[in-house]
Amino acid sequence: EVQLLESGGGLVQPGGSLRLSCAASGFIFSNYDMTWVRQAPGKGPEWVSSISGSTDIIYYADSVKGRFTVSRDNSKNTLFLHMNSLRAEDTAVYYCEWGSRGQSWFGPRGQGTLVTVSS
Amino acid sequence: DVVMTQSPLSLPVTLGQPASISCRSSQSLVSSDGNTYLIWFHQRPGQSPRRLIERVSNRASGVPDRFSGSGSGTDFTLKISRVEAEDVGVYYCMQGTHWPRTFGGGTKVEIK
Repeated sequence: EVQLLESGGGLVQPGGSLRLSCAASGFIFSNYDMTWVRQAPGKGPEWVSSISGSTDIIYYADSVKGRFTVSRDNSKNTLFLHMNSLRAEDTAVYYCEWGSRGQSWFGPRGQGTLVTVSS
Repeated sequence: DVVMTQSPLSLPVTLGQPASISCRSSQSLVSSDGNTYLIWFHQRPGQSPRRLIERVSNRASGVPDRFSGSGSGTDFTLKISRVEAEDVGVYYCMQGTHWPRTFGGGTKVEIK
């Protein structure tokens, strides 16, 4: 069974930084693209970033490009999202998902990790 | 970017009656690998989204067969054959063919 457990969210001031982690299990982590998706309060989901299994292909949404960096540690089955220069509009629940085309996203899962950017 | 347009925005339904949601994309969603990456998600109030349908018409594990997806190219439909109380919430379509991945604005289903 695929399990994805996000952590690292919290309250941060505008302009601050945060690092999210996602511990993955139940599949061969290094074989799969991984993705971050977020959902702001009262809004629909928004794709944030995807990274290939070998880390050679990375995509970012324009809204986070230059501020967020996705990375992964295949030896520890862990995905990361380094978030800098945070803005109020980055406030959202952040979910990590396996695959990059959506057909495996949002299976039975936990609640993601909440990032709140506020002074 | 591919724009995903859902209609209607709000859908009041009667229990036991059918319901249908439309999703249109601004570009064809047929991928170079031959698949069409059109996904449907359902989000109940206060919960995370859950995958319903992937690649247009394939129900995710555990999804009741009253849910069905159809369509091709740029025009897609999610149908509920007989709405049950647990089907309330917001339904989103999403495309996984083009970068950036994009979601529709959502359709809120509520019981009349």
